[in-house]
Amino acid sequence: EPEVTQTPSHQVTQMGQEVILRCVPISNHLYFYWYRQILGQKVEFLVSFYNNEISEKSEIFDDQFSVERPDGSNFTLKIRSTKLEDSAMYFCASSLLAGEGTQYFGPGTRLTVL
Amino acid sequence: KNEVEQSPQNLTAQEGEFITINCSYSVGISALHWLQQHPGGGIVSLFMLSSGKKKHGRLIATINIQEKHSSLHITASHPRDSAVYICAVGHNPTDKLIFGTGTRLQVFP
Repeated sequence: EPEVTQTPSHQVTQMGQEVILRCVPISNHLYFYWYRQILGQKVEFLVSFYNNEISEKSEIFDDQFSVERPDGSNFTLKIRSTKLEDSAMYFCASSLLAGEGTQYFGPGTRLTVL
Repeated sequence: KNEVEQSPQNLTAQEGEFITINCSYSVGISALHWLQQHPGGGIVSLFMLSSGKKKHGRLIATINIQEKHSSLHITASHPRDSAVYICAVGHNPTDKLIFGTGTRLQVFP
């Protein structure tokens, strides 16, 4: 069964460093999402991406964040200058349809900022 | 802004018991999703529904659009059902999901 994959599974970085989290969505899916979950809190929407551009972003998704689909298969989330409060589990998701499409989640990348 | 409330926050059951988890939301939605999150953190989609009722094995999900309420039922609960169950609502046009805080279920043998 097709699945969403994410790398790395765990990333440790120093405050102020740039990180890139990578996702490979399911191949025929058209809609892509990043969510994050701070330890002990609920999952929060960061950004949605369709047709090679951001379709919606949350207040969390400020200028430090960017997304890209560089080669038609990978979907990346970049954090330019990490802060301690960026420590969280980051989930990528993809769906074939929007509106009433099931979203398939990757296993997550745990980001720890020291 | 949609608020998604789940109850209860924590639930303990004996194996075989019938489980109900409730979810309510404040604003109209495109669809409601029930998801399962295991201790390792991975999230699995259980149901997506916009009306009526869906059943998959021992799991049943219902939604009442007028009342902005959904329930997830587990029949004949089993210890392997122990997980966090999350309700999330989708909004057009991007279908971004707004998540509830989750219900932590523990089923004991």
